[in-house]
Amino acid sequence: NAGVTQTPKFQVLKTGQSMTLQCAQDMNHNSMYWYRQDPGMGLRLIYYSASEGTTDKGEVPNGYNVSRLNKREFSLRLESAAPSQTSVYFCASSGQEKLFFGSGTQLSVL
Amino acid sequence: AQSVTQLGSHVSVSEGALVLLRCNYSSSVPPYLFWYVQYPNQGLQLLLKYTTGATLVKGINGFEAEFKKSETSFHLTKPSAHMSDAAEYFCAVSDHNYGQNFVFGPGTRLSVLP
Repeated sequence: NAGVTQTPKFQVLKTGQSMTLQCAQDMNHNSMYWYRQDPGMGLRLIYYSASEGTTDKGEVPNGYNVSRLNKREFSLRLESAAPSQTSVYFCASSGQEKLFFGSGTQLSVL
Repeated sequence: AQSVTQLGSHVSVSEGALVLLRCNYSSSVPPYLFWYVQYPNQGLQLLLKYTTGATLVKGINGFEAEFKKSETSFHLTKPSAHMSDAAEYFCAVSDHNYGQNFVFGPGTRLSVLP
């Protein structure tokens, strides 16, 4: 009963490095999302994908790219990491009128 | 545009005391309303949701919330706090395209004192 699976759980990058956060869901949901969580700011939407083959910008998309590889997988890429991207990242999918979240990726950019 | 405010970034209660976490929202359309809980080092889990129908909504772990349209509020309550309730709680609002327009409040950290 995996639900939404994110990898890695922790990552430390140097400024300018790139990395991809992976997310997969096994609930056959059409819509998937990437959020970032920062203290005192709740969760802010980075990108979302309403269905396979489509992606749209959310509230804070700058510095990120996404790929909806298939119905199950939705990856988030940082091409050139910046300290302002230090955050906790959550992937989610939606179904049954609610969001299902992964356990998060704690990213530090030095 | 939708928005959510949560009064109090940190609330402390004694074990056995009433828990009241406040949430006010703004929405131009009849909203869907949610409370999520986040335990340390975990993702968010749904506590309860209001979509339509009865305005008093019961969720998991003894929590409930009441939708009050006139006050644009959706406060979360639990009659008797337990140590295991210590967590961060997020109120969220959505229009009926709930995923794409899902807006979270800043969160309230609940501490339960012995």
